[in-house]
Amino acid sequence: ETVMTQSPATLSVSPGERATLSCRASQSVSSNLAWYQQKPGQAPRLLIYGASTRATGVPAKFSGSGSGTEFTLTISSLQSEDFAVYYCQQYNNWPPYTFGQGTKLEIK
Amino acid sequence: EVQLVESGGGLVQPGGSLRLSCAASGFSFNSYVMTWVRQAPGKGLEWVSGISGSGGTAHYADSVKGRFTISRDKSKNTLYLQMNSLRAEDTAVYYCAKEGIWFGSASDIWGQGTMVTVSS
Repeated sequence: ETVMTQSPATLSVSPGERATLSCRASQSVSSNLAWYQQKPGQAPRLLIYGASTRATGVPAKFSGSGSGTEFTLTISSLQSEDFAVYYCQQYNNWPPYTFGQGTKLEIK
Repeated sequence: EVQLVESGGGLVQPGGSLRLSCAASGFSFNSYVMTWVRQAPGKGLEWVSGISGSGGTAHYADSVKGRFTISRDKSKNTLYLQMNSLRAEDTAVYYCAKEGIWFGSASDIWGQGTMVTVSS
């Protein structure tokens, strides 16, 4: 099973600044990596797939990069609605698909 | 509008059974892989099971293999998860999600989730 490790567990950033979230895979997942945003009481929302492709309707402030085992989600010009929990997921080595444990992005 | 609506959650005793449903609308249901993902209270996301568009291929997480069965009804555009021999650790919000045409895709549409509580 491919283990996904996200860092940091919690990230405190001020509104208007940029946030950088990391995700590491225990083995190569090629570019088969997605990022999801989840707000309290809501279902996850797909932000990025294929490591760097924004899903439909996702603003350009969200960008993904990386391949193999190291991935990054960058969120620029943070606004109040961006503070949430973010999960990475690999869908290269399955079953099972595996998620990271999440990074909570909180207001500093 | 593309939509997934789960139902069937509730309180069940350990060892009991429950069947979850996920009604799909707004897309060609028969063409897509569908999955179940769960989230225990205060925890992260865990993939549970996935089924091909034809219904002929299914995959399960080791934690539910032999106890859960995923299925789909093309005529009703509905996905199911039959859960037997339930344990306390199965307590979670269960989400259904739409994948791509083939296994090995991200989940682009999610339902709102249904809560399953396993407790005596």
